[in-house]
Amino acid sequence: KNEVEQSPQNLTAQEGEFITINCSYSVGISALHWLQQHPGGGIVSLFMLSSGKKKHGRLIATINIQEKHSSLHITASHPRDSAVYICAVIDTDKLIFGTGTRLQVFP
Amino acid sequence: DGGITQSPKYLFRKEGQNVTLSCEQNLNHDAMYWYRQDPGQGLRLIYYSQIVNDFQKGDIAEGYSVSREKKESFPLTVTSAQKNPTAFYLCASSIDPRSAYEQYFGPGTRLTVT
Repeated sequence: KNEVEQSPQNLTAQEGEFITINCSYSVGISALHWLQQHPGGGIVSLFMLSSGKKKHGRLIATINIQEKHSSLHITASHPRDSAVYICAVIDTDKLIFGTGTRLQVFP
Repeated sequence: DGGITQSPKYLFRKEGQNVTLSCEQNLNHDAMYWYRQDPGQGLRLIYYSQIVNDFQKGDIAEGYSVSREKKESFPLTVTSAQKNPTAFYLCASSIDPRSAYEQYFGPGTRLTVT
């Protein structure tokens, strides 16, 4: 069993839909990253959080440390949101990555 | 503009050849990392360096070597000993060498070995 599990693996949506991507982990962590990888391959950090909730534009990330679960929400999704979203947990001095959720948003 | 550059974006080599992937950063970060990404798998750590002239093996270091002679540069050599070298390679850096917080990623190099 992977230490970081993401669901779903693939997700398609119509423009404007509300999107939720889930991340569950089995290790003790100090914080969690949500990352975005575009088709070209480059990775951008969206959020780093260790408790509660963070919001940036149409993106919202939440984490429940007791339940070892985090969610990434995208409101009013847009085709430019199409990417792979990766959850990564910080275990002392290294990152442990999930396998990613591939999101495609159609106009 | 500060950032991480990796070159080239695409690299092709014949089996049995060593190949070196470049990673340069001008963020003044102490820590640098090399990851490998394969389809259907999460990124896996190959090597990391917390300070110049020092580096540690990650989870999948076999068949790879690195050097850290300058703060800005952390090249990765994929040797002929690496059984499955074809993959997407990502370099990252972070300001704090004691933790994995706030890693910044480069654009990646896709290596194909035939």
